[in-house]
Amino acid sequence: EAGVAQSPRYKIIEKRQSVAFWCNPISGHATLYWYQQILGQGPKLLIQFQNNGVVDDSQLPKDRFSAERLKGVDSTLKIQPAKLEDSAVYLCASSLDFPRKYFGPGTRLTVL
Amino acid sequence: DQQVKQNSPSLSVQEGRISILNCDYTNSMFDYFLWYKKYPAEGPTFLISISSIKDKNEDGRFTVFLNKSAKHLSLHIVPSQPGDSAVYFCAARDSGYALNFGKGTSLLVTP
Repeated sequence: EAGVAQSPRYKIIEKRQSVAFWCNPISGHATLYWYQQILGQGPKLLIQFQNNGVVDDSQLPKDRFSAERLKGVDSTLKIQPAKLEDSAVYLCASSLDFPRKYFGPGTRLTVL
Repeated sequence: DQQVKQNSPSLSVQEGRISILNCDYTNSMFDYFLWYKKYPAEGPTFLISISSIKDKNEDGRFTVFLNKSAKHLSLHIVPSQPGDSAVYFCAARDSGYALNFGKGTSLLVTP
């Protein structure tokens, strides 16, 4: 079974630039999550999708972050414009049922 | 405000001995607790979970204990192996079904 795929693996941008991350969940997994993990912290949920609908985006900074999941499969997370404090690893995860949640390898973003 | 706390950033254990990783929480409404394991440059992987109605769950070398009155859970690994060296995250599910993660404990198992 293929795991959760994410790209790119690394990204370096300057502040005020925009960036987008892509996630392809495990086939058949209806629930998809985006997490932000700042160095030395645990993952923090940004947004949760059930199929292509948003279940929870209470911690997503909506003034600069956006996410979509077209057709209930792949998802993209965008930051525009980026700030220094957005430097983190962005993790995508998918699940079929609780409690097993499968994480991708993450995208490490550095904002200079 | 950190609702799930892992107060030990690191732990070193000899191979074959028991590893005990601890986690404290503040929200009495958490209904499920999970442990994830993370290797460098990889995403976290699910290890073991426990419902709030239980006090122990065992899976092979891994056992999770829950003490609700103390708002404390622990992960025991027996016997510890070098391949267990990783960062371990404790997580708790809230009433909105979101997972709240601790900061992690880095475990090093030495030969």
